[in-house]
Amino acid sequence: DSGVTQTPKHLITATGQRVTLRCSPRSGDLSVYWYQQSLDQGLQFLIQYYNGEERAKGNILERFSAQQFPDLHSELNLSSLELGDSALYFCASSVGVGTGAQYFGPGTRLLVL
Amino acid sequence: DQQVKQNSPSLSVQEGRISILNCDYTNSMFDYFLWYKKYPAEGPTFLISISSIKDKNEDGRFTVFLNKSAKHLSLHIVPSQPGDSAVYFCAANGFFAAGNKLTFGGGTRVLVKP
Repeated sequence: DSGVTQTPKHLITATGQRVTLRCSPRSGDLSVYWYQQSLDQGLQFLIQYYNGEERAKGNILERFSAQQFPDLHSELNLSSLELGDSALYFCASSVGVGTGAQYFGPGTRLLVL
Repeated sequence: DQQVKQNSPSLSVQEGRISILNCDYTNSMFDYFLWYKKYPAEGPTFLISISSIKDKNEDGRFTVFLNKSAKHLSLHIVPSQPGDSAVYFCAANGFFAAGNKLTFGGGTRVLVKP
């Protein structure tokens, strides 16, 4: 158990809908990262927040947004969902903003029908 | 543009023997390298890491070697155990914008036979 929690574990929704994925980092970690794992793209970095502030953005679609709240939990919002958004979404956390180990949650499996 | 590559999609090894997993990278700005283990339906589990200023790091049965001039790293698992059967990902970390991100290889599926 990494100490990172994610909810929900599974999500099934329809195209065009909007969903919110939630992540709580390990106790004491200030950085939260979101990654997407799809069959054809592997594990891809989406976005990083540090202590409530966006720090780095990767291949995140404009239909997706994230935020980190004062209690350090984070939410990833996915809107206007398409079939191709079906994937595993992982949250990870680390102590600081520098390079180093990131600890991953169990993931949310999203299926868009 | 695959900056981190694991060229062997799978590896089969006998219990008790050594497993060697390889990873190549292209970006010389990476300064920290990590190995993760992943079981189906679970998140990646951090195994071991190495800073770019070192060439070896050991933790129990796991040793990571870094050859900066060749832009190559490897993970050695000795002795291999059936519970080691999983997908292993190599990842490289580097500063990006005002933060950092992990860039992952495609993974190597390891099967340890009893």
